[in-house]
Amino acid sequence: QIQLVQSGPELKKPGESVKISCKASGYTFTNYGMYWVKQAPGQGLQYMGWINTETGKPTYADDFKGRFVFFLETSASTAYLQINNLKNEDMATYFCARPLFAYWGQGTLVTVSS
Amino acid sequence: DIQMTQSPSVLSASVGDRVTLNCKASQNINKYLNWYQQKLGEAPKLLIYNTNNLQTGIPSRFSGSGSGTDYTLTISSLQPEDVATYFCFQHNSWPTFGAGTKLELK
Repeated sequence: QIQLVQSGPELKKPGESVKISCKASGYTFTNYGMYWVKQAPGQGLQYMGWINTETGKPTYADDFKGRFVFFLETSASTAYLQINNLKNEDMATYFCARPLFAYWGQGTLVTVSS
Repeated sequence: DIQMTQSPSVLSASVGDRVTLNCKASQNINKYLNWYQQKLGEAPKLLIYNTNNLQTGIPSRFSGSGSGTDYTLTISSLQPEDVATYFCFQHNSWPTFGAGTKLELK
């Protein structure tokens, strides 16, 4: 069955970087793009952008240009979200998802605290 | 970007009630509207895609309707397990989510 399994929770200090993985199984990885969504504590869902898993080309929402990086390890059917120079407002749960958000990862909580 | 406005933000209802959740787009989204259910601590789950198509495995008490800028999710007979936050999502253009409706039991 189709599964997206994300890496575990992270505790980071402001200014550090974090890398979140999303491993896909149950389908051909390069047939579907991978999308990323942010959910701050107690808040709604914010679409961050997506990466074309065939070409590796990322597309970012305006709020996520600069410090956020989407990349792939295609041989491992894994997509990554890296956040550089972490800020307090990056504290959130981050989800990966397939197109139209029919399938989601379980979410990765990133805590940013000095 | 298209703005999605959900109403009400909180809804209290009793088991067995017919419940209606609303979602209004800032412009025509051509029925490219999905509904998601999110329970506490879980990932969202797709309920309805493209306005009125029930995702596989979702109970038939959930239904969707709408066109243009106005869309509705209806639960025909509320069950205790339906307590959750419901988000609408448009994919007619750059994707955007609504802020959600929190559904509680009265």
